[in-house]
Amino acid sequence: EDQVTQSPEALRLQEGESSSLNCSYTVSGLRGLFWYRQDPGKGPEFLFTLYSAGEEKEKERLKATLTKKESFLHITAPKPEDSATYLCAVQAAGGYNKLIFGAGTRLAVHP
Amino acid sequence: GAVVSQHPSWVICKSGTSVKIECRSLDFQATTMFWYRQFPKQSLMLMATSNEGSKATYEQGVEKDKFLINHASLTLSTLTVTSAHPEDSSFYICSATGTSGRYEQYFGPGTRLTVT
Repeated sequence: EDQVTQSPEALRLQEGESSSLNCSYTVSGLRGLFWYRQDPGKGPEFLFTLYSAGEEKEKERLKATLTKKESFLHITAPKPEDSATYLCAVQAAGGYNKLIFGAGTRLAVHP
Repeated sequence: GAVVSQHPSWVICKSGTSVKIECRSLDFQATTMFWYRQFPKQSLMLMATSNEGSKATYEQGVEKDKFLINHASLTLSTLTVTSAHPEDSSFYICSATGTSGRYEQYFGPGTRLTVT
């Protein structure tokens, strides 16, 4: 069964304190792994797509990496505005474009 | 680019009535649209997938007669919650993929439904 597990559930950081979020997955043929950011009461905002092991993508203070079993979202020198829930999702080849979401990591960055 | 809108952003309805939620892709043609619901502090749960001009495909456990989905054009999909009950109160979010061949789903801002 295709599955996505994110850790930690919640993370509290001080402003400037870098850290990483983990997304472990099992899928029968990975078409893509997606990272989204969701603010309270809003829809998810697309961040990155990773397609193959070894791939990396960067955007401002965020960097996403992918191996055959997991993905990391590295946050460098976070700011309070980075506080949000970060969602990881996988799409299986032949899965009719369905996304399988993890439960998310709630990140709080304090000044 | 890749903007998806939803209307209304929030709605309150009485038990037993029906409510329609619209999802529009504003700057691209959406070959496939998806409907999710999300309970507080939980992740997104896929309800159904719809392709323009075709019947929607519902996930296991989702009542197709209760949650009617119409994908009438490449830019519009609607979700109608029929005979709503308080347990249908939730955050409903749509997403869309375009015709570019890429697989990213772009999400709308969500609709908060409260059934009294």
